[in-house]
Formats: sequence, structure tokens, C-alpha cells
Amino acid sequence: GDSVTQMEGPVTLSEEAFLTINCTYTATGYPSLFWYVQYPGEGLQLLLKATKADDKGSNKGFEATYRKETTSFHLEKGSVQVSDSAVYFCALMAGRRALTFGSGTRLQVQP
Amino acid sequence: DSGVTQTPKHLITATGQRVTLRCSPRSGDLSVYWYQQSLDQGLQFLIQYYNGEERAKGNILERFSAQQFPDLHSELNLSSLELGDSALYFCASSVEGVAGNTIYFGEGSWLTVV
Repeated sequence: GDSVTQMEGPVTLSEEAFLTINCTYTATGYPSLFWYVQYPGEGLQLLLKATKADDKGSNKGFEATYRKETTSFHLEKGSVQVSDSAVYFCALMAGRRALTFGSGTRLQVQP
Repeated sequence: DSGVTQTPKHLITATGQRVTLRCSPRSGDLSVYWYQQSLDQGLQFLIQYYNGEERAKGNILERFSAQQFPDLHSELNLSSLELGDSALYFCASSVEGVAGNTIYFGEGSWLTVV
């Protein structure tokens, strides 16, 4: 079945540091890949997505590239801010199947 | 604002009781999903509807049921509630429910069972 594996958290960084959150997936077919973010006490917000190999999704300074050869969709940001502190979820959707989520990675950014 | 509306936002109820959570999808979206988020289980897919018909079932308990109405809003019914049902329940919607669609989530309904 479909599965998503994310790096364990929490990830603690200082403001302006470089961020990478690793995500790898297993799926049959050609999935679409997503990153969602959940700020404290809030719901899930779509951060970015990519629908085919080599696509790069980007939003709010975050980027992720769909790598079919390594089945990965790592999230990166060049300079994090305190306001980026949240839980980040990698997810995939293949065919008509529902979104499958990773376990989430908590990011804490310190001033 | 994602355009997906969920009510109620918070709910406290006793064990053994029954509750109904309601979801209005984004305008034009035919597919509705329900997810449960708990501390120990993460985000679990419960059930999906497309244009009024059940399309897929995930880890939904027999005590839980859902439906999607002709106006496309959906309800999730949780009965014989147990302490372990305390969680954040999300509704999400997409246009067709296929890969390539973007899936938008509501803000969730916090259920506390005491």
C-alpha cells in the first residue's frame, strides 16, 4: 500500500538557519505529492504540491522537488523564521485513493 | 480560509453518547474526505465520498458512519463514544478526488469525550 516516511522531530533551528525535512514515499502508480503545515491550534494548510516527476513546488520560501528516482520530496527553506514554527506533514495521493500522510515533523525555530 | 467549513469547532460529550460533525465542502468540490487526528495515531483516513456515493473506506470504526447529501455537505456520526475517540476530526474536499487535485482541509472539529 501507499506510505510516507518523514524524519523524526522535533527539529530545532535558530532563526535564519537552513531547513531540510526529509520525506520518502512508496506508492503504486504515479502519485501527486504534497506538503501541509499545521500551526499551533489550527487546521491543516496546503503549503505546496507537485504532480509529476521533476516538478518543483514552492510557496512562502519553501520548496520541494518531486524525485521519482529516489522516491523523495524533501522540504527546504533557505532561511527560517520564528513564525515557521509548526508541524509539517508530507503526503501523497495516487489514483483515486485518499491522501496518505507521514507522521509529521515538528519544527521549532528559536530567535 | 480554505473554503471548507466544519461545525462545531469544539465539542465535549460523555462516554456512550452520539455526536454529529458537519462539513460543507468548497464550492464546486464533489469529493469529501474525513480524517481523524489523534496524538498516538497521527492523521488517519476515515472515509471518502464522491458526489453522494461512498468511494473509499479507511480505518473507520463500525461505531462511526458518514454520508454525503445531495447538496454535497457531509456529516460524520460518531456513536457509543469512548475516551479514545477524543481527537481532532478534519473534513477535506477536492474537485474530483483524483491524483492531481488539490485537497483542502477545514479547521477541524475538536471532540473531547469525558
